[in-house]
Amino acid sequence: DAGITQSPRYKITETGRQVTLMCHQTWSHSYMFWYRQDLGHGLRLIYYSAAADITDKGEVPDGYVVSRSKTENFPLTLESATRSQTSVYFCASSESRTGNYGYTFGSGTRLTVV
Amino acid sequence: GDSVTQMEGPVTLSEEAFLTINCTYTATGYPSLFWYVQYPGEGLQLLLKATKADDKGSNKGFEATYRKETTSFHLEKGSVQVSDSAVYFCALYSGAGSYQLTFGKGTKLSVIP
Repeated sequence: DAGITQSPRYKITETGRQVTLMCHQTWSHSYMFWYRQDLGHGLRLIYYSAAADITDKGEVPDGYVVSRSKTENFPLTLESATRSQTSVYFCASSESRTGNYGYTFGSGTRLTVV
Repeated sequence: GDSVTQMEGPVTLSEEAFLTINCTYTATGYPSLFWYVQYPGEGLQLLLKATKADDKGSNKGFEATYRKETTSFHLEKGSVQVSDSAVYFCALYSGAGSYQLTFGKGTKLSVIP
């Protein structure tokens, strides 16, 4: 299916475990983003990528790692999950460097760290 | 740095009421402005946008006008429906050194029959 797909939709993991959230887009958009959504904070940017093999930190990158070996995939890894990383995670992509077309978002991954 | 301030919710309206959700911003240069909508259990969807001063974005009966003099981009709809119940996010893109959108914290709207 065309679009931007996130998996899993829901995930429960234990403190200290490594977990990877997947993001796949079918449009060949150059720009991809990871946000977390928390009550009272809205959306905060974790990492973004301008192209394959080019990534950069956003507002809240600590404890997260990203990679982008292929244009269509942008996985987010929590190296050692903590309870403060319990959140809803959204992946997004954009065709435009300027962002004037806005972003297209995935449906999100709800992560619970116990 | 860039920032977006939205009116705090939740906002509860009766069906067919008039809606205004206030949004003001701080940014360098001349940002593009957006409204996104998030329905329960879903990701954000672009609702409308405006890329320069005095532009009016519109979609699905919603409107917002880019007011540079007041640094505002208020969302309005003349007659809301139950199906408009969602969280609404104002956002800006200034292009000041990154490719990211800056979002407000969101305003939850509930429309009751």
